[in-house]
Amino acid sequence: GQNIDQPTEMTATEGAIVQINCTYQTSGFNGLFWYQQHAGEAPTFLSYNVLDGLEEKGRFSSFLSRSKGYSYLLLKELQMKDSASYLCVPNGATNKLIFGTGTLLAVQP
Amino acid sequence: GAVVSQHPSWVICKSGTSVKIECRSLDFQATTMFWYRQFPKQSLMLMATSNEGSKATYEQGVEKDKFLINHASLTLSTLTVTSAHPEDSSFYICSARDGRSPLHFGNGTRLTVT
Repeated sequence: GQNIDQPTEMTATEGAIVQINCTYQTSGFNGLFWYQQHAGEAPTFLSYNVLDGLEEKGRFSSFLSRSKGYSYLLLKELQMKDSASYLCVPNGATNKLIFGTGTLLAVQP
Repeated sequence: GAVVSQHPSWVICKSGTSVKIECRSLDFQATTMFWYRQFPKQSLMLMATSNEGSKATYEQGVEKDKFLINHASLTLSTLTVTSAHPEDSSFYICSARDGRSPLHFGNGTRLTVT
């Protein structure tokens, strides 16, 4: 089975930094993905963490702690276009990606 | 890289007809393709997993005779919604990956059944 826990909604200000936390439980673990999904569009891939630590990619960074079942996505220099849902998706033993409802981030001017 | 093309982007059909949606991986070989469906304000729901050359594996509650999936090659999978009804109206999204690589999504197909 799989369980994902992340905040339902968050609000942040343009230009600021926001951290979206995710705790997970899964049978088997083969990495964790973060996806971004704008309303009415398909998800787009943001990051993939397999080992513990921080992965930085431009304004977005993702952190993983396997022992704690914990990850976060850090968004810097927020822009209005970053308003979207952010989906934390562990890759379990089945290799199927099961998506939750994610965190709906609203960036305000 | 890792581009997945899905066609059509939107389709309107009459109740009782069938609709075929194509999903192609353009620059990589997709050993596995997944089909998802998403209703407004809900999460993506996995419908089925298909591996090239073998029958698709459907998730519980998904009718395999209604949602026909064919994964004929490493770059093409199709989903056919047979005898569509208004309750089948949804956003259908295909995705593909090579092994344990990240899952890459097509742009989705918005199906409206009248």
